[in-house]
Amino acid sequence: EADIYQTPRYLVIGTGKKITLECSQTMGHDKMYWYQQDPGMELHLIHYSYGVNSTEKGDLSSESTVSRIRTEHFPLTLESARPSHTSQYLCATQDRGGHETQYFGPGTRLLVL
Amino acid sequence: KNQVEQSPQSLIILEGKNCTLQCNYTVSPFSNLRWYKQDTGRGPVSLTIMTFSENTKSNGRYTATLDADTKQSSLHITASQLSDSASYICVVSDRGSTLGRLYFGRGTQLTVWP
Repeated sequence: EADIYQTPRYLVIGTGKKITLECSQTMGHDKMYWYQQDPGMELHLIHYSYGVNSTEKGDLSSESTVSRIRTEHFPLTLESARPSHTSQYLCATQDRGGHETQYFGPGTRLLVL
Repeated sequence: KNQVEQSPQSLIILEGKNCTLQCNYTVSPFSNLRWYKQDTGRGPVSLTIMTFSENTKSNGRYTATLDADTKQSSLHITASQLSDSASYICVVSDRGSTLGRLYFGRGTQLTVWP
């Protein structure tokens, strides 16, 4: 079954640690996105990719980095986590259809102490 | 500045009742408008999508309307169920760039009580 997977679902980590949030998909979509969402607030685009070896920064300034070595994987890395990084991170893919609907993973809730 | 504003911010209704959520936008040029449902702790799931030429779209008990002239949309939920409790997010897409970027509202938090 086509789906989007995010791991871990929940993460509590100390300041200064390096973390990688995983996103993998079996949707067969080329376009992938990372969003940051705080409670009661809108989603903010932090990174996106149109395919292998393609990565771009989004609207929200972020200290994270991404890579796209394989179509199925789009990991997001924080080199040194800070309390300000506490948030929910959502991975999404987009099809090539006329409506370009985005499909979201379940999210990773990150708490940096 | 392109914006998507949703109202009310939160809403509580009794099971079986109807409700209507509002979305006003200033995104231009307009491509399409989507309504997403986001359950707590989950990612958003698309409910409906409407282009410029469509003024209503239904998905089961969910009916979305669009007035492109006034740049307003609504999502009407009929005969609400407990499982309708979620955040409903209005998302507008523009065609001003090759990105076809999305503009997200902050959502309306709906709680359905038994």
